[in-house]
Amino acid sequence: GENVEQHPSTLSVQEGDSAVIKCTYSDSASNYFPWYKQELGKRPQLIIDIRSNVGEKKDQRIAVTLNKTAKHFSLHITETQPEDSAVYFCAASIVDNFNKFYFGSGTKLNVKP
Amino acid sequence: DTEVTQTPKHLVMGMTNKKSLKCEQHMGHRAMYWYKQKAKKPPELMFVYSYEKLSINESVPSRFSPECPNSSLLNLHLHALQPEDSALYLCASSHIASENTEAFFGQGTRLTVV
Repeated sequence: GENVEQHPSTLSVQEGDSAVIKCTYSDSASNYFPWYKQELGKRPQLIIDIRSNVGEKKDQRIAVTLNKTAKHFSLHITETQPEDSAVYFCAASIVDNFNKFYFGSGTKLNVKP
Repeated sequence: DTEVTQTPKHLVMGMTNKKSLKCEQHMGHRAMYWYKQKAKKPPELMFVYSYEKLSINESVPSRFSPECPNSSLLNLHLHALQPEDSALYLCASSHIASENTEAFFGQGTRLTVV
């Protein structure tokens, strides 16, 4: 099955700085890459996603880049705010007649005011 | 309605008990999932249902038995669990082979096996 690796496991930044989280995947058939934010005790929620036919996608302060050749994708958060503090999971999936979502190990982001 | 609803929120069960977790969505999603999440770990895929048929079983022990009675409901039947099965069980749903493939998660059932 798919193996998704995520780094770093923890990340501390000062409010206003940028944060970057990186993931690699193993299955070249994976074609959909979502990023989820999970606050303590809450459900994972999608913050941004990218499909394999796109190299970059941006939504306000959040952007995701994908390098299919190298099989890695990254999450970029600019102008971080304390409310960005949470655990972030990347995922890789094969979207076809049935979907399989496999998650990275997670990054705990701490934004210091 | 973009909600996936799971019941119960919390469950404590003995190792000889039989219990069921329930999940419901009304977004017209035809893929539904069960994930297991241990503390400080990522969600781990257990089962995938596609068009109400079991598509993926990630080598889950038979003490976990999924069921998809219709396109809106997903159950997970539990029997003879072990203390190490204590975890947050998350249900999710999504469209299949669509431009919009976001997986929506329920709030989870926190299971404690004593």
